Amino acid sequence: QITLKESGPTLVKPTQTLTLTCTFSGFSLSTSGVGVGWIRQPPGKALEWLALIYWNDDKRYSPSLKSRLTITKDTSKNQVVLTMTNMDPVDTATYYCAHYYGDYVGDWFDPWGQGTLVTVSS
Amino acid sequence: SSELTQDPAVSVALGQTVRITCQGDSLRSYYASWYQQKPGQAPVLVIYGKNNRPSGIPDRFSGSSSGNTASLTITGAQAEDEADYYCNSRDSSGNHLYVFGTGTKVTVL
Repeated sequence: QITLKESGPTLVKPTQTLTLTCTFSGFSLSTSGVGVGWIRQPPGKALEWLALIYWNDDKRYSPSLKSRLTITKDTSKNQVVLTMTNMDPVDTATYYCAHYYGDYVGDWFDPWGQGTLVTVSS
Repeated sequence: SSELTQDPAVSVALGQTVRITCQGDSLRSYYASWYQQKPGQAPVLVIYGKNNRPSGIPDRFSGSSSGNTASLTITGAQAEDEADYYCNSRDSSGNHLYVFGTGTKVTVL
């Protein structure tokens, strides 16, 4: 059974850097085709894809947020870390991490963590 | 990156069929995956690839694609299917970037 859980601060101040950790179990981030993605959802709004790290340490970022995001993995700890710099109130959202898999059939995010609400306010 | 556009809301009578669409240029090249999200819960994958359902997803959920449009069909909608639905796919850049649709609220009457 694959599970993921996000952890990090619930409140950050504007201009600060947000660091979120996704701790997972039930799969290895060394397996070909596997990745971990980050997705966020502002209150009452749609999902927004942020970043993805693959088993081979390849990384992809949302073009609109690329300059502010860094994604890393620690395979031995079964963790993926997302940092977002220069936080702003508009970044207030629930942040999810999700297991990613892709092959000739397609690619998808499943399952997802429970999400963590991050509020940006002074 | 490209956008994926969905109708904001649709309604369906209990037991009837509803189709949710997702439009975007990248769908001419890549499959969409579909996610169901109920209030206060994390999204759940319901369809991936050409038309594949994860274990535990009822067979009343199906997917299809034509041109720049991907569709999720619920055949015989149940009360528990009332939720927000999002499509997701790669964008059209060819750089393995992803984008979510704008979301569709499905109401079961």
